[in-house]
Amino acid sequence: DQQVKQNSPSLSVQEGRISILNCDYTNSMFDYFLWYKKYPAEGPTFLISISSIKDKNEDGRFTVFLNKSAKHLSLHIVPSQPGDSAVYFCAASAPTGNQFYFGTGTSLTVIP
Amino acid sequence: GAGVSQSPRYKVAKRGQDVALRCDPISGHVSLFWYQQALGQGPEFLTYFQNEAQLDKSGLPSDRFFAERPEGSVSTLKIQRTQQEDSAVYLCASSPVGRTLNTGELFFGEGSRLTVL
Repeated sequence: DQQVKQNSPSLSVQEGRISILNCDYTNSMFDYFLWYKKYPAEGPTFLISISSIKDKNEDGRFTVFLNKSAKHLSLHIVPSQPGDSAVYFCAASAPTGNQFYFGTGTSLTVIP
Repeated sequence: GAGVSQSPRYKVAKRGQDVALRCDPISGHVSLFWYQQALGQGPEFLTYFQNEAQLDKSGLPSDRFFAERPEGSVSTLKIQRTQQEDSAVYLCASSPVGRTLNTGELFFGEGSRLTVL
């Protein structure tokens, strides 16, 4: 049973515009969330995280929003750049248990 | 380098062969994870080590899968009698904090792509 879901397999955005990647989760115990970016033939690299005590965290062009009541988080990239083209995974973890749960990823293409 | 290093990067095995995949985590990192990523899927948890102790192996799909981290640094994932369904990328990740703190990011290696014919 997939506890973290990314329902959009792919997204295309024009350079300079906003990219919005969405993620939903089912486990109300999750309280720590991360976004990873993955290029082909490379391992995932950490982008940004958010704890459930916050509803927003910003780092440069990247902002993550968390809506706990809806069990939904989103990653905003503004402005989008061609180098942002990659697969983006969201991940979540709970205070108990050892694993991070990953979504299936969204492939972002930023068109120059 | 200073990152997580995995070897081999690519491995082709005949069905029934045993394989061993190695992970060199970032020096001093307490936590080490193994994940399996099938084509088009997200990483799926296999096992977790805190230093040399394997605290969680709930994700290992069968008793053909075995992992160890005897000195709390390098880890090896061994798959015995490989099957076609074992074909995947095996990702190793390390973290400077233990899982008693629900924080901190995972630093991933580039993965070992296993193809079982």
